[in-house]
Amino acid sequence: EDQVTQSPEALRLQEGESSSLNCSYTVSGLRGLFWYRQDPGKGPEFLFTLYSAGEEKEKERLKATLTKKESFLHITAPKPEDSATYLCAVHLPGSGNTGKLIFGQGTTLQVKP
Amino acid sequence: NAGVMQNPRHLVRRRGQEARLRCSPMKGHSHVYWYRQLPEEGLKFMVYLQKENIIDESGMPKERFSAEFPKEGPSILRIQQVVRGDSAAYFCASSPPGLGGGEQYFGPGTRLTVT
Repeated sequence: EDQVTQSPEALRLQEGESSSLNCSYTVSGLRGLFWYRQDPGKGPEFLFTLYSAGEEKEKERLKATLTKKESFLHITAPKPEDSATYLCAVHLPGSGNTGKLIFGQGTTLQVKP
Repeated sequence: NAGVMQNPRHLVRRRGQEARLRCSPMKGHSHVYWYRQLPEEGLKFMVYLQKENIIDESGMPKERFSAEFPKEGPSILRIQQVVRGDSAAYFCASSPPGLGGGEQYFGPGTRLTVT
């Protein structure tokens, strides 16, 4: 069964303490891997798309990387406003034109001042 | 450019009633997706629609749930005879024309509570 696993489930950091979130997937072939941020009571906010191993994308303090079996979301010198749940999702290959995304359970990040 | 709009934001229904959730995609987007987020669970795909067509409904429960995206107007997710287990946040997402999937932009969600 195709799976997306995120770790850790929860992460507490001090402001300025850099770290990485992991997303591993067990799918054969990948049409895309996506990172989202979700704040409590809100919808997921799109962050990055990665399509091939070796690809990297950056936005402010966030940097996403992709290998053949996993992706990392690196957070450099985080601030309290980076506190949120970070979701990883994969777009699977398959017959037809499916738009189905498979989401991981998320990593809830708390950054303390 | 307005984002994905969903209404209502909160909906309370008694067991056995019907729930109708509406979604207007981003301007220029022709693909709509519905996802459900149960308490303490991740987002689960339900259905993918284009105008007047259901493309993939592999995540929809077989009974009581239906979805449409008419030529005019918003996409509708309809839940008949709601039960307590339907209580969840329902999110709609949209993406631009072209191959389905890709970058999906989410709305704020409708939080359904069944009493």
